[in-house]
Amino acid sequence: NAGVMQNPRHLVRRRGQEARLRCSPMKGHSHVYWYRQLPEEGLKFMVYLQKENIIDESGMPKERFSAEFPKEGPSILRIQQVVRGDSAAYFCASSQDRGRLNEQFFGPGTRLTVL
Amino acid sequence: GDSVTQMEGPVTLSEEAFLTINCTYTATGYPSLFWYVQYPGEGLQLLLKATKADDKGSNKGFEATYRKETTSFHLEKGSVQVSDSAVYFCALSENTGTASKLTFGTGTRLQVML
Repeated sequence: NAGVMQNPRHLVRRRGQEARLRCSPMKGHSHVYWYRQLPEEGLKFMVYLQKENIIDESGMPKERFSAEFPKEGPSILRIQQVVRGDSAAYFCASSQDRGRLNEQFFGPGTRLTVL
Repeated sequence: GDSVTQMEGPVTLSEEAFLTINCTYTATGYPSLFWYVQYPGEGLQLLLKATKADDKGSNKGFEATYRKETTSFHLEKGSVQVSDSAVYFCALSENTGTASKLTFGTGTRLQVML
């Protein structure tokens, strides 16, 4: 039973380019969460999605960032016109249900470096 | 809003020493509490959890008790090993409305020496 899959594991972009991060949740999980970890900091919530719906995007920057979780295929976190401050590790987690009792399982992360 | 405060690291211990990593929280309701561990270059793994007051979570020799009166969830282990070297994150999840996001502390790096 595969865990949460993220790709790529490492991504290098130049300032102004687009970064596209993918997350495939665990089998049977329909809830996906994206978190960002800046160097030497804890994880910060960005967005919570269910299939085809954004449920909570309170942690997403207002500009340049977007997320989707289509009916078919992985969840995508898209960062347009990247800047150096976007360099971070981006983690995806999935859960079976949304309640506070439901464990979130984390992927290995995508480490984004903006040159 | 919700918040989690952890003791700052790094914490450096000798093998077989006793470990305590302090964690306190602020929440409006009745959160679930978690400890996650992150090994170098990897994602987070759930270490243990507690869902209500006085619950004790335990796994791999680690323990933490949900203390509502002190809003704390301190992580303890009686005898650490070199393989326990990692970053430990305390987190809470409060089901507010439609979301159940995790709120993390800043993490505590543990280094265990031979």
